[in-house]
Amino acid sequence: QKEVEQDPGPLSVPEGAIVSLNCTYSNSAFQYFMWYRQYSRKGPELLMYTYSSGNKEDGRFTAQVDKSSKYISLFIRDSQPSDSATYLCAMKRSETSGSRLTFGEGTQLTVNP
Amino acid sequence: EAQVTQNPRYLITVTGKKLTVTCSQNMNHEYMSWYRQDPGLGLRQIYYSMNVEVTDKGDVPEGYKVSRKEKRNFPLILESPSPNQTSLYFCASRLGGYEQFFGPGTRLTVL
Repeated sequence: QKEVEQDPGPLSVPEGAIVSLNCTYSNSAFQYFMWYRQYSRKGPELLMYTYSSGNKEDGRFTAQVDKSSKYISLFIRDSQPSDSATYLCAMKRSETSGSRLTFGEGTQLTVNP
Repeated sequence: EAQVTQNPRYLITVTGKKLTVTCSQNMNHEYMSWYRQDPGLGLRQIYYSMNVEVTDKGDVPEGYKVSRKEKRNFPLILESPSPNQTSLYFCASRLGGYEQFFGPGTRLTVL
């Protein structure tokens, strides 16, 4: 069983829709949660970072962590065609430099004009 | 510009022919790693290095070698590539904490 599960999609939505992307995990030791965005033919780039449970908002993006359910989400409001990309969740146990990132498989999102 | 570079970006080779994929970062990061990305499996770590001359295995190290003789460079070596190593490879680096910077990727095909 994978430590981090993420529905690979693909997910297709109209422009302006609210998008919800999710990951579940099995290891309760994970404390740091990230979302990376990967455009086609590019490397992943950090989009959002949260520590422990709670919400974090950055413009049209909101990251949500529910440690009791081992469930994290990324919400995109007023989605734009430029948001079309693969979104990968990632998590790790501690903030030390040696702590390894564990990635989800990634969800492919297309926002149609 | 702060970046991670990889070369080559695309490579087609044959089984058993040794190859090296180079990786270099200009951010003075201590931590570097190599990943492979495959459909249905996501990003999996191959090897990582916490500093010069310090390397360790990740999740899928079989068939790969690495070295870290200088802080900025972290080459990935396939001594005898096989078709199951056909994949998209990413080098990454970070100073500590959480933000990992990825290179643009190397698409490798082994025939």
